[in-house]
Amino acid sequence: GIQVEQSPPDLILQEGANSTLRCNFSDSVNNLQWFHQNPWGQLINLFYIPSGTKQNGRLSATTVATERYSLLYISSSQTTDSGVYFCAALTSGGSYIPTFGRGTSLIVHP
Amino acid sequence: KAGVTQTPRYLIKTRGQQVTLSCSPISGHRSVSWYQQTPGQGLQFLFEYFSETQRNKGNFPGRFSGRQFSNSRSEMNVSTLELGDSALYLCASSPISIQGGEQYFGPGTRLTVT
Repeated sequence: GIQVEQSPPDLILQEGANSTLRCNFSDSVNNLQWFHQNPWGQLINLFYIPSGTKQNGRLSATTVATERYSLLYISSSQTTDSGVYFCAALTSGGSYIPTFGRGTSLIVHP
Repeated sequence: KAGVTQTPRYLIKTRGQQVTLSCSPISGHRSVSWYQQTPGQGLQFLFEYFSETQRNKGNFPGRFSGRQFSNSRSEMNVSTLELGDSALYLCASSPISIQGGEQYFGPGTRLTVT
């Protein structure tokens, strides 16, 4: 099946800093999502972005499907951005089994 | 619209027992998927149901089963619980299918097996 790798695994920032999270996938995808998991376990949708660029406030994402990666940008980070960020991919061929990366754990200090 | 709801939120069971978890999707969504999250294995896909039929299944033993009702609500059952089944179980709903669009997750059921 498809392999999904996220980097970095851990990230510590000061409030106000910018960051870039990366998601590499091993096969062509027709479905890619970014999620934020809060400390209570809730997965919150950030972006549905199988290709192209999207922005939502301080967050933006870009997926370059031909090169098999996606980037999540967080600008002017806030303490509420802390948590784990996951990308999930679903390949365009074969089994329809969504695969999650291992996540990037982000801590934002005040 | 109300989000995805899961019940119960917390559950403690004994090894060998069985458990049933419930998930109500967003109104109008027809696809429900289930995931298991553990520190060791991360987030893993269990299965997807659409129009009361299982469409896809992950690599889990037959002790894990599910069903979907005509109102799209879904239940997941785990029989003969093992200690390793302790996990956060997440349910997600999609308007059509996981292949075709976004998934929206519920708050999860945290299962502890003792």
